[in-house]
Amino acid sequence: GAGVSQSPRYKVAKRGQDVALRCDPISGHVSLFWYQQALGQGPEFLTYFQNEAQLDKSGLPSDRFFAERPEGSVSTLKIQRTQQEDSAVYLCASSPQPIQGADTQYFGPGTRLTVL
Amino acid sequence: KQEVTQIPAALSVPEGENLVLNCSFTDSAIYNLQWFRQDPGKGLTSLLLIQSSQREQTSGRLNASLDKSSGRSTLYIAASQPGDSATYLCAVTNLYKLSFGAGTTVTVRA
Repeated sequence: GAGVSQSPRYKVAKRGQDVALRCDPISGHVSLFWYQQALGQGPEFLTYFQNEAQLDKSGLPSDRFFAERPEGSVSTLKIQRTQQEDSAVYLCASSPQPIQGADTQYFGPGTRLTVL
Repeated sequence: KQEVTQIPAALSVPEGENLVLNCSFTDSAIYNLQWFRQDPGKGLTSLLLIQSSQREQTSGRLNASLDKSSGRSTLYIAASQPGDSATYLCAVTNLYKLSFGAGTTVTVRA
């Protein structure tokens, strides 16, 4: 079946522009995650949704970052007034159940954001 | 804060050699540990998941061990092939959060 999809795959933004990154999780998956992966590093947790509820946003680096999942399926990560340090690959992952610590997360291909 | 370290950062071996990748973590209060594979321009693919109560998991040529008390895991890949060339990431789960290491980039030479 279809996996997690993300769009766009590549985004180039000028410093100060706003960007919106989209994630389509596997159909029916309850849990959705966003991660940020800087070059040469492992992914870092940003935020977690259970259905439409954002249960944890502790990893969002600043108030310029905002995520939503209004209908409990598609999610959007928005970055306002982008800065060069925001350049990274943004990964979305989904999982079928509310996370109990035992389920694997299924990752999308990521969106590579470059801020000039 | 959970810190995950992977050694070595890069590894190059001839085809057929066995691979040994190491992962260590600072907080032993984990639910599970996973090994992922990441190919350039692609997302992460889960290879093995070891629950905190388990000592090891095997899948084909892959075997991963977990010593939770010492905060260590090892991924073994037997009889490596050029198709095994990728970055391998270790991640531990605390509740729902995955904490990743920086990865080991493996090159298998034909």
